[in-house]
Amino acid sequence: EVQLVQSETEVKKPGESLKISCEGSGYSFTSNWIAWVRQMPGKGLEWMGIIYPGDSDTRYSPSFQGQVTMSVDKSINTAYLQWSSLKASDTAMYYCARGTGAGFFDSWGQGTLVTVSS
Amino acid sequence: AIQLTQSPSSLSASVGDRVTITCRASQGISSALAWYQQKPGKAPKFLIYYASTLQSGVPSRFSGSGSGTDFTLTISSLQPEDFATYYCQQFNSYPYTFGQGTKLEIK
Repeated sequence: EVQLVQSETEVKKPGESLKISCEGSGYSFTSNWIAWVRQMPGKGLEWMGIIYPGDSDTRYSPSFQGQVTMSVDKSINTAYLQWSSLKASDTAMYYCARGTGAGFFDSWGQGTLVTVSS
Repeated sequence: AIQLTQSPSSLSASVGDRVTITCRASQGISSALAWYQQKPGKAPKFLIYYASTLQSGVPSRFSGSGSGTDFTLTISSLQPEDFATYYCQQFNSYPYTFGQGTKLEIK
């Protein structure tokens, strides 16, 4: 069974750094893209970008380019999303999802809630 | 970036009704469209890909159609578990994008 398990809820202050994770299991982790999707409170889904664990090829949405960094550790089947300096506007639920070669997302993590507040 | 506009933004319907949600792309995307269902407090669930292909395990009352710029998601006979928010997503070109969502509520 394909599973994506994300790290737990985070509460941070503005200016702090953060790295959240997404561990894949039940499939070949290096052969499928991992996407990150933001959902701000009460809002819709926003595609942030996508990374290919096999070679770390990464594509960012222009809206998120320079604001976050995506990475992977193939040795532990884990993808990461990180911020160097959080803002209050980063408060949201963040989902990882397994991307097929075509570009749709057939399995999703449970989400990581990030709250940034002073 | 390709914009996806869903209509309506919200919809009230009853169990047993047939409902249709529309997704319009700002430029042609061939059949590179997927549909997802999201219930409150839950992760999205993948329903349909390539505009009309049902993901394994998705009930046959769900169907999708369209190509180019205009797409539809139809639920032939609403069940209580179908009340949720639905999103379309294009995967024709980067950056991939989602529609703004259609909230399906019980009348």
